[in-house]
Amino acid sequence: EVQLLESGGGLVKPGGSLRLSCAASGFDFSTYSMNWVRQAPGKGLEWVSSISATGRHIDYADSVKGRFTISRDNAENSLFLQMNSLRAEDTAVYFCARDDTGYFSPSQYWGQGTLVTVSS
Amino acid sequence: EIVLTQSPGTLSLSPGERATLSCRASQSVSSSYLAWYQQKPGQAPRLLIYGASSRATGVPDRFSGSGSGTDFTLTISRLEPEDFAVYYCQQFTTFGPGTKVDIK
Repeated sequence: EVQLLESGGGLVKPGGSLRLSCAASGFDFSTYSMNWVRQAPGKGLEWVSSISATGRHIDYADSVKGRFTISRDNAENSLFLQMNSLRAEDTAVYFCARDDTGYFSPSQYWGQGTLVTVSS
Repeated sequence: EIVLTQSPGTLSLSPGERATLSCRASQSVSSSYLAWYQQKPGQAPRLLIYGASSRATGVPDRFSGSGSGTDFTLTISRLEPEDFAVYYCQQFTTFGPGTKVDIK
């Protein structure tokens, strides 16, 4: 059974940093590209970042470029999102999601999300 | 950059009725990467349709997708109580703003 489990969310002050993790199991993690998608309270879904299976190809939304860094450890079946210079508008539930058939393809498998709150 | 617009914003219907949700793209998009998701409060999105018209694993056949170019439609033939939720279309990294289907 495919499982994705996010962790690392919490309350952080503006300008602070946080590192999110997504532990994957039930599939060959090293062969799938992965994504982070966020959802601000009461709002819609916003793509944040994607990383290819090998980690060689990475993309970011303009809203996080230069502040967030996506990475992965295929040996540990884990996906990460390093978030620096956090702003109030980064407050959201952050989901990790697996691409099904290729980079930027739809995602059948999602984690349950981890809440990041940026507030003083 | 492609913009996806969904209409209506809210659809108020009764169980058993047919729901028709629209997703319009600002420019022609590949049907291969047009997807629909369902999301209920406190839950992760659930993939319903991919490739504009293919149902994901385990999705009931009352859900169907159609369209091409700039206009796509998600149809729920007969609403079940569990279908009242928010529905998003997606193309690559762009999500539409969502359509909420609520109980009339």
